[in-house]
Amino acid sequence: QKEVEQDPGPLSVPEGAIVSLNCTYSNSAFQYFMWYRQYSRKGPELLMYTYSSGNKEDGRFTAQVDKSSKYISLFIRDSQPSDSATYLCAMSLSSNTGKLIFGQGTTLQVKP
Amino acid sequence: GAVVSQHPSRVICKSGTSVKIECRSLDFQATTMFWYRQFPKQSLMLMATSNEGSKATYEQGVEKDKFLINHASLTLSTLTVTSAHPEDSSFYICSAQGALNTGELFFGEGSRLTVL
Repeated sequence: QKEVEQDPGPLSVPEGAIVSLNCTYSNSAFQYFMWYRQYSRKGPELLMYTYSSGNKEDGRFTAQVDKSSKYISLFIRDSQPSDSATYLCAMSLSSNTGKLIFGQGTTLQVKP
Repeated sequence: GAVVSQHPSRVICKSGTSVKIECRSLDFQATTMFWYRQFPKQSLMLMATSNEGSKATYEQGVEKDKFLINHASLTLSTLTVTSAHPEDSSFYICSAQGALNTGELFFGEGSRLTVL
């Protein structure tokens, strides 16, 4: 069993739709949770960074962490074609480590 | 945000040759850099952790003699793939963490290596 599971998709939605991306994990010691966006042939860029359980909102993006269920989500409201990319969840045990464990990534396509 | 630059972005080499990839933090000092590897449609897998002025720490299953990492300064880390083989063809990505760690990593653009 992988430490972090993420449905690779692809996920195709019409422009303006609400997108829900999810990851599950097995290690209850993870404390820090991140979502990265990666365009084709590019490095990942950080979208959201959360600590422990709860919600965090930034513009059209909302990240949710449910540690009791070992489940994290990223919601994208009013999705745009420019949101088309691969979204990677990542998590770590502590804040002072760059040893991130990544999910496989979900490929999202937003159609105009 | 902070900028991390990788060079070259793409490299094609013959089997048996060595290839060096550079990772630079352009606007901050990176005490720690990380090297990841990503196969097509796969996740990023951490290969090694590079600390300035000390030996790199490799993840289990990563050959130290195959993937040489040097972190000679606070702004530069290099990954050398020695005696490259076709199975080493992959997307290599570095990330950097500043001294004032916030838990965030800044990733380079990646380097695509193709070994013929």
